[in-house]
Amino acid sequence: DGGITQSPKYLFRKEGQNVTLSCEQNLNHDAMYWYRQDPGQGLRLIYYSQIVNDFQKGDIAEGYSVSREKKESFPLTVTSAQKNPTAFYLCASSITGGGHYEQYFGPGTRLTVT
Amino acid sequence: GENVEQHPSTLSVQEGDSAVIKCTYSDSASNYFPWYKQELGKRPQLIIDIRSNVGEKKDQRIAVTLNKTAKHFSLHITETQPEDSAVYFCAATGGGQNFVFGPGTRLSVLP
Repeated sequence: DGGITQSPKYLFRKEGQNVTLSCEQNLNHDAMYWYRQDPGQGLRLIYYSQIVNDFQKGDIAEGYSVSREKKESFPLTVTSAQKNPTAFYLCASSITGGGHYEQYFGPGTRLTVT
Repeated sequence: GENVEQHPSTLSVQEGDSAVIKCTYSDSASNYFPWYKQELGKRPQLIIDIRSNVGEKKDQRIAVTLNKTAKHFSLHITETQPEDSAVYFCAATGGGQNFVFGPGTRLSVLP
């Protein structure tokens, strides 16, 4: 379980405020991912990054933004444009190439916006 | 794009019985199919995976089968134990980029 961290564990924000979720990994993984999980539902991909300074939109990127300035870090900003931001956010990382795509997940951040 | 369906959404079995969860995918380019177990409030953890060049893989009480022609893969858990109770997710990806997850199956193992 070690090697990928997310902070904070719980986050509360007022509607209309942007908020940034942290994700750090020391596994030397090239790829990093952000998922959103709503109660009783599966994981939906927000953004992913295969290399530094490059990232692609997932299925639900609207209202979110990311950056990948360092290999170890992939912060996610939930903007005020996200209509329903309250959810459990999971970050993951994986190596790339050679057919090895196993994802390691962080502990998650539960965001509540009121 | 890829679409992954998963059935059943809930499954209850008696301790010691077997459990089977099935997933179908739509994109024939997908070549990696992992299964994750998520306990309440915790992060998903990989329990087994299979690549498209393999038809079956087994790890102790857990096995996964893949039918590329029919585009479906299944998780088999034998001799279930109470600690197997959790939500299980399947996923599919082509090249480790855009992972698409199924909606999950809540497994309850009854003592």
